[in-house]
Amino acid sequence: DQQVKQNSPSLSVQEGRISILNCDYTNSMFDYFLWYKKYPAEGPTFLISISSIKDKNEDGRFTVFLNKSAKHLSLHIVPSQPGDSAVYFCAAIVNFGNEKLTFGTGTRLTIIP
Amino acid sequence: GAVVSQHPSWVICKSGTSVKIECRSLDFQATTMFWYRQFPKQSLMLMATSNEGSKATYEQGVEKDKFLINHASLTLSTLTVTSAHPEDSSFYICSARQGGGELFFGEGSRLTVL
Repeated sequence: DQQVKQNSPSLSVQEGRISILNCDYTNSMFDYFLWYKKYPAEGPTFLISISSIKDKNEDGRFTVFLNKSAKHLSLHIVPSQPGDSAVYFCAAIVNFGNEKLTFGTGTRLTIIP
Repeated sequence: GAVVSQHPSWVICKSGTSVKIECRSLDFQATTMFWYRQFPKQSLMLMATSNEGSKATYEQGVEKDKFLINHASLTLSTLTVTSAHPEDSSFYICSARQGGGELFFGEGSRLTVL
């Protein structure tokens, strides 16, 4: 049972444009969400997170939006850069402080120069 | 920033042999580390939580006799895949949290069982 889903396995975006990566979840107990970036043969690195009490969190070029009623979150990257090409995972936690992350299946983002 | 390192990064072994993967927190102490497994084009699945000085907590469906976890010190956890078979071939990743802060991941270890 995949509780965190990323329905787009891949996405291609022109350099300089906005990249939007989507993530849906089914468990209403999730109260903290994170986005990770992963290069091949490397471990994931943390990008940005959001608590369920917020609907938006911004950090430089990265913004995460949370729609609790729709159980949907998205990561916006603007402007997209070639170095952003990677696999992006969303992850969720039940009760922040609990360290058990549930990951989505990932979306491979390719930025076209 | 904090660093978590895994070794080896890539290992090939024959079916039936055992393989040990190490996970080290290089500049902080971690009472808890986590082991994940990633199949190609799939999400990272939590296998087990490694607790320093006590038994690991395994997720449902993970064979604890197959995947032995030892957290011998505050900076080292090991995952041993016993009697490895081709279906155990995967990318194994560990993580550790520094204090109450960010969760850091190791570089991952790719296991190929022939």
